[in-house]
Formats: sequence, C-alpha cells, structure tokens
Amino acid sequence: DGGITQSPKYLFRKEGQNVTLSCEQNLNHDAMYWYRQDPGQGLRLIYYSQIVNDFQKGDIAEGYSVSREKKESFPLTVTSAQKNPTAFYLCASSIRRGSQYFGPGTRLTVL
Amino acid sequence: QKEVEQNSGPLSVPEGAIASLNCTYSDRGSQSFFWYRQYSGKSPELIMSIYSNGDKEDGRFTAQLNKASQYVSLLIRDSQPSDSATYLCAVNMLKSNFGNEKLTFGTGTRLTIIP
Repeated sequence: DGGITQSPKYLFRKEGQNVTLSCEQNLNHDAMYWYRQDPGQGLRLIYYSQIVNDFQKGDIAEGYSVSREKKESFPLTVTSAQKNPTAFYLCASSIRRGSQYFGPGTRLTVL
Repeated sequence: QKEVEQNSGPLSVPEGAIASLNCTYSDRGSQSFFWYRQYSGKSPELIMSIYSNGDKEDGRFTAQLNKASQYVSLLIRDSQPSDSATYLCAVNMLKSNFGNEKLTFGTGTRLTIIP
C-alpha cells in the first residue's frame, strides 16, 4: 500500500532533550512538509523540502531541524531550543503542483 | 486580517440537509485551493481541490471558487453524521521556483450533523 507513515504515534520528551520524529513516504512524491498543529489553531509550516538534499524554513522553524538525504524520508528533530514543543506534528507530501497528503501524525508531549 | 479566514463554528446541520462552509483569503494572487476534513485526534484528509472559478463537484461535495471576491466554499449535500468533523481550508499563497506549493491553512470550521 502506498502512503505516508509517521513514528512514533506518541512521544514524550523531558526538558532539555532533543527528539526526532520520523516521516517516510512510498508515493514517489518530490516534496515533503512538516506542520505543527496546536489546539484551536490552524496548521503552521515548520520546514519543507522540494528535492533531496534541499529544504527551506517555513513560518516557525526556530528550534527545529530537518534533513532530506533520501526522497522517501524527511525526519524532523525538535531541539531543546524549542520552548513550547507540545503539539501534534504532521508530515505531508506532494508531487509538484499537486495536493498535499498527510501522514497520521505524532503527538509530542513535554514532561 | 488573517491570511485565510474561516468561521470556527460550531456549525450544526440536521442530517440530510446541506452544510455550507466558507473561507476567505487575503492574497489576490492565490492559485490553488483545498478543503481537508479532520476528525478529532486524526490527521487532515484531502476532500477537494479547486483551481479555477466556478463549481467542482465530487459525489456529495461541491467546491465553489470566486477569485474576484476572494472566497472559496464547500457544500456537503445529504449530510450524514459521519460528516461531523473539522473542515480546514488551505490556500496556495506562494509558488516556489520548483512549482511546489506552500499552503496556508485556516483554523477550521467544526461541523456537527444532528441525527
């Protein structure tokens, strides 16, 4: 089955820790995206990548980092510099000029 | 003014009636428009995309776009309890050199279908 997978589904982070969220797609999509969703707010773009080894900052990139070493994979690291990381993190992918499709999401909670 | 604006609701509609969801956007140069459905605790699911003025129909769903007035709407005919969800409007606000689209999302409208 083609699709987008994210892991883990739930993640708990202690203060001062870095954590990495996984996103994999087997849709052969060129572009991949990371969004953050907070209660009562829309999705906000963290980072996006249009091709391998290239990515751009979105609207709220501070405290986050990404890599795009393979077309299928776009992991997101939430660093200790991100002061309020508790949120629902969503990964998406698309073909060029195409609609974006979302993975199931990772819910991150800071303890 | 928000870049993409939706009424947060909740919008309550009787089962079998037409649900009408609206979205306005600020960038007159916007090219692509999308409606996503999001059930509580789940990720958004693409319902419709629309690129040109007029109506686009897909089953019980119709998307309507009016670029002159800068609004896009979603109509759901014969509403079912399973349509109860939050509906997100997304607009392409910027085109990259590679042609991929950076979407800006509204905060969503919560729709409840009353049996």
